[in-house]
Amino acid sequence: QLTLKESGPVLVKPTDTLTLTCTVSGFSLNDPRMGVSWIRQPPGKALEWLAHIFSSNEKSFSSSLQSRLSISRDTSRGQVVLTMTNMDPVDTATYFCARLKGSATYDSWYFDLWGRGTLVTVSS
Amino acid sequence: DIQMTQFPSSLSASVGDRVTISCRASQSIDNFLSWYVQEPGEAPKLLIYSASTLQSGVPSRFSGSGSGTDFTLTISSLQPEDFATYYCQQSYSTRFTFGQGTKLEIK
Repeated sequence: QLTLKESGPVLVKPTDTLTLTCTVSGFSLNDPRMGVSWIRQPPGKALEWLAHIFSSNEKSFSSSLQSRLSISRDTSRGQVVLTMTNMDPVDTATYFCARLKGSATYDSWYFDLWGRGTLVTVSS
Repeated sequence: DIQMTQFPSSLSASVGDRVTISCRASQSIDNFLSWYVQEPGEAPKLLIYSASTLQSGVPSRFSGSGSGTDFTLTISSLQPEDFATYYCQQSYSTRFTFGQGTKLEIK
């Protein structure tokens, strides 16, 4: 069964470091046609892409947040971990992980599977 | 990062209407454009990728077009379940970005 599931704290304090885990099943993080992104959505607002890790272990980050973000993976466990430092109340959001899939010819890439998301609230 | 701009930001329509949502990229993204639909409290779902390829299981009333910087999502005949928020997203750059969303509401 193809799934992604986010886990982590529901409440963090300002200046804390947030650590979120995405556990995947049904596919391999080593598959060259697969990668995993983290995407967030503040309440009532739009989706914001944060970070991505490719099967090659190459990483990419949102320009506006890259100084605060890191992403890593444990392929044996099927997990992708996002850390975000110096949390602020404006970082309150639902955090999703999503699978980026490439077509067989690698000429198209899209988020075809999403976790249900986890709401993280930043408050003292 | 490539900026994705959707318009309109909200749209009121009736069941049976034909609606079009537009998305513009700040630079050419060829056809590396996907569309998603999101219902309140749910994760987004993929509708279309490569600008015009319908994801498996998506009804044929949805269609996408465009290339370069300008793209459209068309729903040929709105159904009650289509009233939701729609997002475009580019994968031309590995700094993937989304549009700000278009909320489709019942008139």
